[in-house]
Amino acid sequence: EDKVVQSPLSLVVHEGDTVTLNCSYEVTNFRSLLWYKQEKKAPTFLFMLTSSGIEKKSGRLSSILDKKELFSILNITATQTGDSAIYLCAVGLDSNYQLIWGAGTKLIIKP
Amino acid sequence: DSGVTQTPKHLITATGQRVTLRCSPRSGDLSVYWYQQSLDQGLQFLIQYYNGEERAKGNILERFSAQQFPDLHSELNLSSLELGDSALYFCASSGGTRGNIQYFGAGTRLSVL
Repeated sequence: EDKVVQSPLSLVVHEGDTVTLNCSYEVTNFRSLLWYKQEKKAPTFLFMLTSSGIEKKSGRLSSILDKKELFSILNITATQTGDSAIYLCAVGLDSNYQLIWGAGTKLIIKP
Repeated sequence: DSGVTQTPKHLITATGQRVTLRCSPRSGDLSVYWYQQSLDQGLQFLIQYYNGEERAKGNILERFSAQQFPDLHSELNLSSLELGDSALYFCASSGGTRGNIQYFGAGTRLSVL
């Protein structure tokens, strides 16, 4: 059975800290790994990774994929209270474009 | 703005009733996905349509059904509603060169009283 596991499930840090969120997966027909941010509304797309070792970066957020070890990390540096959200990891399948979702990491940034 | 439109934003109804949620995908996207998210729960995949055809099914109850019309908009029908059906229902769409990227609508918050 295809599965995506995120850790930790929740994390509380102080503003300015750096955090690393983890996502591991076991799927057949891997196509891509995606990260989303969900505040009190719909998930919004952050990154899509398809190749190992190539870092994707957007401002203070970055992500990398390891297809050999079957995991990805999402780093957030110099965290701000606006980074508080649930971060979702999903793996895209080659067969039908369906996404297999992890349970999410709830990140709380304290001022 | 993701380009995915969902209506209505909020829906309050009683147990045993039937409701219809509507979704218009991003321009050019052929795939539509429906998800359910209960309070403090993760996204539960319900069903996927591609160009009018059902493509994949997740944990969708028999009381729920969906369809995608020739103009690519989709509807999710929920019948014999129970208290436990209260949740956020998201529609997402994908397609073209963006591969697996799904863009989400703002969701419909369903409250069953």
